[in-house]
Amino acid sequence: NAGVMQNPRHLVRRRGQEARLRCSPMKGHSHVYWYRQLPEEGLKFMVYLQKENIIDESGMPKERFSAEFPKEGPSILRIQQVVRGDSAAYFCASSPVAGGSDTQYFGPGTRLTVL
Amino acid sequence: DAKTTQPNSMESNEEEPVHLPCNHSTISGTDYIHWYRQLPSQGPEYVIHGLTSNVNNRMASLAIAEDRKSSTLILHRATLRDAAVYYCILRGNTGNQFYFGTGTSLTVIP
Repeated sequence: NAGVMQNPRHLVRRRGQEARLRCSPMKGHSHVYWYRQLPEEGLKFMVYLQKENIIDESGMPKERFSAEFPKEGPSILRIQQVVRGDSAAYFCASSPVAGGSDTQYFGPGTRLTVL
Repeated sequence: DAKTTQPNSMESNEEEPVHLPCNHSTISGTDYIHWYRQLPSQGPEYVIHGLTSNVNNRMASLAIAEDRKSSTLILHRATLRDAAVYYCILRGNTGNQFYFGTGTSLTVIP
């Protein structure tokens, strides 16, 4: 059973461009979470999705950021008009259920660099 | 989700046991205690979790205080590969996320 897959692993964008980060959850997992990690900091929650639905986006900036998890295909985190402050590692996690005892399985992350 | 307090850093000699403490004085009765670790340039990795009783798995042991206001992750024999940032996380049934905090950076000395 393959783990959580993220691509690309590294992404370089110039200011003003768009960044698309993809996450394929583990087989059988319908819950996906996105986190952002700035250099030398811990992970910060951004958004939680279930198939075709955004459940909690309380950690996501209101502008320029969006996320989706379509019925078919990977979850996508989209950042429009990137700025230097968006440079960070973005991690995706998935779980089979959601609750206090659920285990989230993390992908290797996408490291976004904005020039 | 309630917050946790961990030391910023700890050191251990290789092949010795390591006890990583975590305080969570505001824990509620339904909060699970999770431990994850993050190796350099990698995503977090699940280590162990528990509710009230002590737990053991192939990676580590989790000792939970009787009042549940603190817990300790125990690595029985530290190896160089255990050098990582260890996060103690509380997770309630209604929360959708993990609150990672700053974690404890463990250095293993050969």
